[in-house]
Amino acid sequence: AQSVTQLGSHVSVSEGALVLLRCNYSSSVPPYLFWYVQYPNQGLQLLLKYTSAATLVKGINGFEAEFKKSETSFHLTKPSAHMSDAAEYFCAVTLNTGGFKTIFGAGTRLFVKA
Amino acid sequence: EPEVTQTPSHQVTQMGQEVILRCVPISNHLYFYWYRQILGQKVEFLVSFYNNEISEKSEIFDDQFSVERPDGSNFTLKIRSTKLEDSAMYFCASSLQDTDTQYFGPGTRLTVL
Repeated sequence: AQSVTQLGSHVSVSEGALVLLRCNYSSSVPPYLFWYVQYPNQGLQLLLKYTSAATLVKGINGFEAEFKKSETSFHLTKPSAHMSDAAEYFCAVTLNTGGFKTIFGAGTRLFVKA
Repeated sequence: EPEVTQTPSHQVTQMGQEVILRCVPISNHLYFYWYRQILGQKVEFLVSFYNNEISEKSEIFDDQFSVERPDGSNFTLKIRSTKLEDSAMYFCASSLQDTDTQYFGPGTRLTVL
């Protein structure tokens, strides 16, 4: 069965520290992978996506993610956290199972301490 | 920049009533989606729609739900007889291609009393 697992429902970092948000997926077909960010009381905004081109993907706001097929992972990183990065982050996978379906992970809430 | 819009932003209804949530996708997009997010929980896929028919749906999308693109611009989600557990934020999204980036609307908060 296809699934997306985000390790850690809450992650807390200090301002200026490395951000690492983990995502693992399970899929029997080649996946298309996405990271979305959700600020309080707002919709979902795309950070970055992987669609079978370069395995290291750069997104907005200094975020990047690396697709590792052997580890079935798509972890999100940012070298230096900013207070404005505090939000909920969702990893998602789009699969072609006859029709296209997107499955979201449970989300990781990022806290940034001053 | 084009964006997906949704109306209303907040809908309050009585249990058993029908509701229609409306979305205007980005104009040249071909694929349309509905998701829901129960408060504090993850975003759940409901249905995808292409070429005037449902292409994929989840187990959540039972006979109480239906979608329609009535006029070439709007994309609606109808819940025939709402239940308390239908209370959630409902997001519409659209994309140009099926594996392309999905652009999300701001959501409609549905509260069933």
